[in-house]
Amino acid sequence: AQSVTQLDSQVPVFEEAPVELRCNYSSSVSVYLFWYVQYPNQGLQLLLKYLSGSTLVKGINGFEAEFNKSQTSFHLRKPSVHISDTAEYFCAVRLFQGGSEKLVFGKGTKLTVNP
Amino acid sequence: DVKVTQSSRYLVKRTGEKVFLECVQDMDHENMFWYRQDPGLGLRLIYFSYDVKMKEKGDIPEGYSVSREKKERFSLILESASTNQTSMYLCASSLLTSGGADTQYFGPGTRLTVL
Repeated sequence: AQSVTQLDSQVPVFEEAPVELRCNYSSSVSVYLFWYVQYPNQGLQLLLKYLSGSTLVKGINGFEAEFNKSQTSFHLRKPSVHISDTAEYFCAVRLFQGGSEKLVFGKGTKLTVNP
Repeated sequence: DVKVTQSSRYLVKRTGEKVFLECVQDMDHENMFWYRQDPGLGLRLIYFSYDVKMKEKGDIPEGYSVSREKKERFSLILESASTNQTSMYLCASSLLTSGGADTQYFGPGTRLTVL
């Protein structure tokens, strides 16, 4: 079975500080991994995704994530956050079940950037 | 730009009412999804569809049904709304690819309150 665990439900940081949002997955097959962001009162949008190749993936708005197969992790990082990065962040893994494909999402991490 | 629209941003219904949530996408995507989002639980898949008139149950289909008569439109139906269906409902769409790596594009969500 595949599942996704986001280890922190809330992460408060100060503006211009670095941030890491943690995500671990469990899977017995090769994985595709995603990070989505949800700004207040909006739907989700893709930040970045890992399919194959380089383990360091760069996304929009200065975010990046590193796929670590041995630790089954896909942590999201940004070296210096802005107030506008305040949002909820979701990690997701592709799952094949019953011949069809879907994404399984983590429970989300609320990032609050304080001045 | 891909656009996914949902018929209402906010909806208030009474217990026992039949509720229709509509979703339309304009990018000719094969896959469409309905999720509900609740605090601390993340996104949970209700139903998805990979073709017109095709549907698959997700993780929490009880109390819901869906309809896909046209490729661009995917409707979620609450046959008899109950208070525990008060939630944010998110629609998404994606291309159908063999690799399953395609991004899901989300609508802005419908916040449903059942009184």
